[in-house]
Amino acid sequence: DAKTTQPTSMDCAEGRAANLPCNHSTISGNEYVYWYRQIHSQGPQYIIHGLKNNETNEMASLIITEDRKSSTLILPHATLRDTAVYYCIVDLYNFNKFYFGSGTKLNVKP
Amino acid sequence: EAGVTQFPSHSVIEKGQTVTLRCDPISGHDNLYWYRRVMGKEIKFLLHFVKESKQDESGMPNNRFLAERTGGTYSTLKVQPAELEDSGVYFCASSQETGIHTEAFFGQGTRLTVV
Repeated sequence: DAKTTQPTSMDCAEGRAANLPCNHSTISGNEYVYWYRQIHSQGPQYIIHGLKNNETNEMASLIITEDRKSSTLILPHATLRDTAVYYCIVDLYNFNKFYFGSGTKLNVKP
Repeated sequence: EAGVTQFPSHSVIEKGQTVTLRCDPISGHDNLYWYRRVMGKEIKFLLHFVKESKQDESGMPNNRFLAERTGGTYSTLKVQPAELEDSGVYFCASSQETGIHTEAFFGQGTRLTVV
């Protein structure tokens, strides 16, 4: 089931950029890369998604390599409230039938 | 704009009893999904509605689980009879049917405890 590989955990200093990597070497041409996060016990929260171009919104930037086999989510100025589990997901069917995996636990420290 | 709303937020029931979870999606969202996280494991897909029709129910664990979405608005997920292994957090999500990739919005979840 796993289509992505992410580090189990990462630390980031408050105010610094957090760069979360994701490997998806078996991604197919029409699969999108999505990023969600789950803060404590809340429901997953959408962050950003992309196909092959880099994307940016008010929350984050998504950098996808040219071969699309990996991507990086960038939180430009991490705050304590960004402490969460971040999930990198590839989605084929546009049905949001996501496989969440284990994600990366990002710890933002003062 | 109201988000995805789930009721109840918590439910504690005895093994063998019946529980019904409810999800109110964002108004106008034709897609509705149920997910769950049990026993500290990963979040797993259960099923997907498009309006009132079940598009994909491949994640439903067994026939003790019944999901409905009458009228294509809110959805219910009934567990009957509940077993201990059903304990976990049940999430509902909704998204628009736009023909292009879009994001799903998740509710806060219902924490179900079967004792």
